[in-house]
Amino acid sequence: DSGVTQTPKHLITATGQRVTLRCSPRSGDLSVYWYQQSLDQGLQFLIQYYNGEERAKGNILERFSAQQFPDLHSELNLSSLELGDSALYFCASSGPRGEQYFGPGTRLTVT
Amino acid sequence: AQSVTQLDSQVPVFEEAPVELRCNYSSSVSVYLFWYVQYPNQGLQLLLKYLSGSTLVKGINGFEAEFNKSQTSFHLRKPSVHISDTAEYFCAVAQGAAGNKLTFGGGTRVLVKP
Repeated sequence: DSGVTQTPKHLITATGQRVTLRCSPRSGDLSVYWYQQSLDQGLQFLIQYYNGEERAKGNILERFSAQQFPDLHSELNLSSLELGDSALYFCASSGPRGEQYFGPGTRLTVT
Repeated sequence: AQSVTQLDSQVPVFEEAPVELRCNYSSSVSVYLFWYVQYPNQGLQLLLKYLSGSTLVKGINGFEAEFNKSQTSFHLRKPSVHISDTAEYFCAVAQGAAGNKLTFGGGTRVLVKP
């Protein structure tokens, strides 16, 4: 158990819908990262927040957005969903030396 | 831009045999290197990390890796594998600072046979 929690574990929704994925970092970690894992593109970095502020952005689609709240939990919002958005979405938080610890992931299936 | 190449997509190996998973990276600045393991239907677990210091790094479950700057490699080894080591292994690089975003290799699927 990494100490990073993610909800829900599974999500099934239809094309065109909007979903919210939630992540709670390990106690004391200020940075939260979001990654997408898909069969065709592998593991890709989406976005990083540090203490509520956006720190870095990767290949995140405009239909996707994220935020980090004052209690340091983070949410990833995915809208106008397409079949190709089906993937595993991981959240990670970083330890004192920068190493990242991953949550169990949310498996999103878009039908 | 940095990139990470895992040279083998699949590695079959017999139980109690040694295994080596190869990882090469490209980067023009300082790098911080990691190996993660993903068991079926689970998240990513940190196996080991190279941040600084000794180039030979020991991790959990008997794994170790060696950072070779001249060859830009960070190969993972285990002298004797168990059935429970069947999983997918990912090499990852953070560029510039250890807390920066990770760039992952494509993964190596290890299948341990009895």
